[in-house]
Amino acid sequence: DVKVTQSSRYLVKRTGEKVFLECVQDMDHENMFWYRQDPGLGLRLIYFSYDVKMKEKGDIPEGYSVSREKKERFSLILESASTNQTSMYLCASKIGNSYNEQFFGPGTRLTVL
Amino acid sequence: GNSVTQMEGPVTLSEEAFLTINCTYTATGYPSLFWYVQYPGEGLQLLLKATKADDKGSNKGFEATYRKETTSFHLEKGSVQVSDSAVYFCALSNYGQNFVFGPGTRLSVLP
Repeated sequence: DVKVTQSSRYLVKRTGEKVFLECVQDMDHENMFWYRQDPGLGLRLIYFSYDVKMKEKGDIPEGYSVSREKKERFSLILESASTNQTSMYLCASKIGNSYNEQFFGPGTRLTVL
Repeated sequence: GNSVTQMEGPVTLSEEAFLTINCTYTATGYPSLFWYVQYPGEGLQLLLKATKADDKGSNKGFEATYRKETTSFHLEKGSVQVSDSAVYFCALSNYGQNFVFGPGTRLSVLP
């Protein structure tokens, strides 16, 4: 079974802090994704990566950056957290350039105070 | 471009009622179609999928048939349980393109 893990289920940070959200997948998938999920807005794509050291902006990249130094790991970085980044963050992975499904991690609920 | 439309929720049913959640899509070519389920406080889990026209995906009593002529992939279950209470997302995947998710439909099943 594909497993996607995220470093924290719950995280509380203060405004202005630098925040790292880590995601690891164990199935050698090329593609990895970061979404945020907010009530009434569904899933919104922040960034994605189709290979090591490659990254592409999604629909709402402002205020975020990403890092993919190894194939299995995709990190989301909030350079200076703000209260409007309080959200549920979901990581996913997928076999590259295919019609296959995405596999999701359990999510990280981030609260920025 | 690709898009997914699904019925607005919330949907509230009594236990053992019949469930239908409508999903229609717009896409070029021949996408794969999916239903995901999200239980409270958790990530999304794949519920079922169909990869070509007339395919029926099924899992845990849920079914959906890929209808190319009506560009639909409606989710059905004959008898829902309280444990089915969750948010359901319809989605499509097209070759070389990003996933597209519907907005989600919240289902509440009352005992």
